[in-house]
Amino acid sequence: AQKITQTQPGMFVQEKEAVTLDCTYDTSDQSYGLFWYKQPSSGEMIFLIYQGSYDEQNATEGRYSLNFQKARKSANLVISASQLGDSAMYFCAMTLFAGGTSYGKLTFGQGTILTVHP
Amino acid sequence: ETGVTQTPRHLVMGMTNKKSLKCEQHLGHNAMYWYKQSAKKPLELMFVYSLEERVENNSVPSRFSPECPNSSHLFLHLHTLQPEDSALYLCASSQDPPLAGVTGELFFGEGSRLTVL
Repeated sequence: AQKITQTQPGMFVQEKEAVTLDCTYDTSDQSYGLFWYKQPSSGEMIFLIYQGSYDEQNATEGRYSLNFQKARKSANLVISASQLGDSAMYFCAMTLFAGGTSYGKLTFGQGTILTVHP
Repeated sequence: ETGVTQTPRHLVMGMTNKKSLKCEQHLGHNAMYWYKQSAKKPLELMFVYSLEERVENNSVPSRFSPECPNSSHLFLHLHTLQPEDSALYLCASSQDPPLAGVTGELFFGEGSRLTVL
């Protein structure tokens, strides 16, 4: 069974600085996808970025980039130029692309609470 | 209209009550999901519906009963719940499998926060 580990319960960053949120995963499958979601206090999970296991380049979406190191099974999220509105819970998640399996079956990590200070 | 709408946002019920959570998606997706988010635990998948048929049930207790009457609506019927069922219940939708060139991410609602007394 697959597993996602986020070892940082909480992180603090100064506004306008960069921050890295750690994520490691464990699976014996070769075909999978990795997601990062943001959950503000309102409760909604907001999709940030996606990386496929066969993607050769690291994914980027605006201020978000994913540092994908396949051999180390890590998929860290880098947020550049932090903003006060980035304060939220961040979740790393994985799906497997096995035949006949719903792609929406995500396994989530415990999450990391990010606090951005002015 | 927001993409995925959940009602009610907050619900308090006794252990003998029967209530339902409702989810509606306006994104044209063909799959819908219920996830449970308990304090200090990762999100757990409860049910998956694809094309209105249940394709996944992660051994959820029978006191939770899902219903998917069409691809835009999903319900979670609750009866004789326990205090440990208190949690945030998140509904999501997606295109499953994803269209070519699309990541197939889940779109979530804001959740229904359930408290069982």
